[in-house]
Amino acid sequence: EADIYQTPRYLVIGTGKKITLECSQTMGHDKMYWYQQDPGMELHLIHYSYGVNSTEKGDLSSESTVSRIRTEHFPLTLESARPSHTSQYLCASREDRLTDTQYFGPGTRLTVL
Amino acid sequence: QKEVEQDPGPLSVPEGAIVSLNCTYSNSAFQYFMWYRQYSRKGPELLMYTYSSGNKEDGRFTAQVDKSSKYISLFIRDSQPSDSATYLCAMSGSSNTGKLIFGQGTTLQVKP
Repeated sequence: EADIYQTPRYLVIGTGKKITLECSQTMGHDKMYWYQQDPGMELHLIHYSYGVNSTEKGDLSSESTVSRIRTEHFPLTLESARPSHTSQYLCASREDRLTDTQYFGPGTRLTVL
Repeated sequence: QKEVEQDPGPLSVPEGAIVSLNCTYSNSAFQYFMWYRQYSRKGPELLMYTYSSGNKEDGRFTAQVDKSSKYISLFIRDSQPSDSATYLCAMSGSSNTGKLIFGQGTTLQVKP
């Protein structure tokens, strides 16, 4: 079982607030990912990192930003939350072998009022 | 056109039924194929992983990949109510980037 954690699990917040979604993994994985998932829709990659000090934007444009100062930690920040940011945010990490399997955290369900 | 197409269902079957879940894709460069299971309000968990074409079996689950038809399947034998979840197919062409393309997910309900 993968050891990847996300906090908070649920967040309801007002428009304009700054929020940070936390993601941590204890497996020493270099590669980490953030996905956005709306109900009934596929997961869309919004950010990824290949290691410390490496961050890239994903296929889906997002107003969020990420940082990777430590291997185990990959937080996502929204400077000014809007109702359009309401979604489920999933963090994942990957073993650095010849396989593309990713392990997911439980997700953060964000609601912006 | 989406790179990966998956029938969203919902699919409802009686307990003990054989379930077939399918995805089609358009990118011939895809080599790595996965099935994830996602319970309500949880993150996806890896169920099956297959490299290139062929079959892979794990207990009641069998994954099939037909690269010539760009078609992958997941079969669940003797389905149980605990199998009720959303099943996501995922695939990629490069082991270096690790970037996965997901299907929309098929919601399965197994009735006792």
